[in-house]
Amino acid sequence: GAVVSQHPSRVICKSGTSVKIECRSLDFQATTMFWYRQFPKQSLMLMATSNEGSKATYEQGVEKDKFLINHASLTLSTLTVTSAHPEDSSFYICSANLLNTEAFFGQGTRLTVV
Amino acid sequence: AQTVTQSQPEMSVQEAETVTLSCTYDTSENNYYLFWYKQPPSRQMILVIRQEAYKQQNATENRFSVNFQKAAKSFSLKISDSQLGDTAMYFCAFMKPPSGNTPLVFGKGTRLSVIA
Repeated sequence: GAVVSQHPSRVICKSGTSVKIECRSLDFQATTMFWYRQFPKQSLMLMATSNEGSKATYEQGVEKDKFLINHASLTLSTLTVTSAHPEDSSFYICSANLLNTEAFFGQGTRLTVV
Repeated sequence: AQTVTQSQPEMSVQEAETVTLSCTYDTSENNYYLFWYKQPPSRQMILVIRQEAYKQQNATENRFSVNFQKAAKSFSLKISDSQLGDTAMYFCAFMKPPSGNTPLVFGKGTRLSVIA
């Protein structure tokens, strides 16, 4: 099946710093990727839709200046958590659809802000 | 807007037994896809099974099968001969093709424990 690779899998950063998470589609082109956030024992919550060559679309309540998304190529989307705070600690997952019939997920990134 | 409801937060089953996880959804669409994803402790999302709404035949994948009732908007997952490795969080999800790329809509999940 198609492969989506997410990096890093774990990151610890200090409050006030920024962290970049990468999501790559390895064997297919993805004009659109999705970023989710998952709290412990909860479901995936859609944060934003990343569109290649244009601005991302953010879900209601998600701060676009806090969570910067860049989709510069057909295989790479990045999520930057800016000026991170402990409340930003969470599990972040990206996904991309193949032929609009199936979603493939990255391995996820566990972010801890100390 | 589409919604997906999983009414069983937690379930348990004895090894080798059969268990059914429930899922209902709400949509006005006629054509769509439904999925069951498994999320083990590693938190990697793994596709278990997929159903296309225009297909009447229920999808099966080895020990996993679904009971898709389109009129009732129900999409349950049956796991036969449960194995310890089936212990995971299971999410029911909805996708609306093909109007461009659309994200999955997830239910809240069911935590399944397989007991030896």
